[in-house]
Amino acid sequence: GENVEQHPSTLSVQEGDSAVIKCTYSDSASNYFPWYKQELGKRPQLIIDIRSNVGEKKDQRIAVTLNKTAKHFSLHITETQPEDSAVYFCAARPADSSYKLIFGSGTRLLVRP
Amino acid sequence: GAGVSQSPSNKVTEKGKDVELRCDPISGHTALYWYRQRLGQGLEFLIYFQGNSAPDKSGLPSDRFSAERTGESVSTLTIQRTQQEDSAVYLCASRFSGWGTDTQYFGPGTRLTVL
Repeated sequence: GENVEQHPSTLSVQEGDSAVIKCTYSDSASNYFPWYKQELGKRPQLIIDIRSNVGEKKDQRIAVTLNKTAKHFSLHITETQPEDSAVYFCAARPADSSYKLIFGSGTRLLVRP
Repeated sequence: GAGVSQSPSNKVTEKGKDVELRCDPISGHTALYWYRQRLGQGLEFLIYFQGNSAPDKSGLPSDRFSAERTGESVSTLTIQRTQQEDSAVYLCASRFSGWGTDTQYFGPGTRLTVL
């Protein structure tokens, strides 16, 4: 079955710097890749997603890139702000399921003021 | 409108007791998921409900775990004879089923502590 690995587990950046979180997946036919943000003590919320027919997607300061050949996708946050501090989870939807998401283990991002 | 709600928010129980966790999905969301989130780890899929179809129970870790959902309404996750390794946050999520609607909306979770 699908397996998703996420790196790094923790990331500390200075406010204003960029942050990059990477995920690799095992099922080459996976077709949907969302990113969820979970602030401390709060519920996970979708921040951006990408489908397998697209290589990059941007939404203001965040972007996601997908490399299907290498089976990895990355979250990019530019001009980081303290409110970006949270745990970020990547996920992949395997081809044999229209509904199941396999999540990575999460990255704790700390943005230092 | 109201989001996904879960109750209780916290539950402390003794080893061997049964617990029941509740999830109220967003109205109109036919798809409902349960996940387990152990401390410092990712979201582990437990079970999926879609309308009146047979649920996907492939993520339930043992026969001590069960879940029910009546139609498109409330769901309950039951853990029998709880063990210490069951301690985790249990998250529920719901989703509207339709073309291009992949976003899962999560509840606040139930933090279960088994002593």
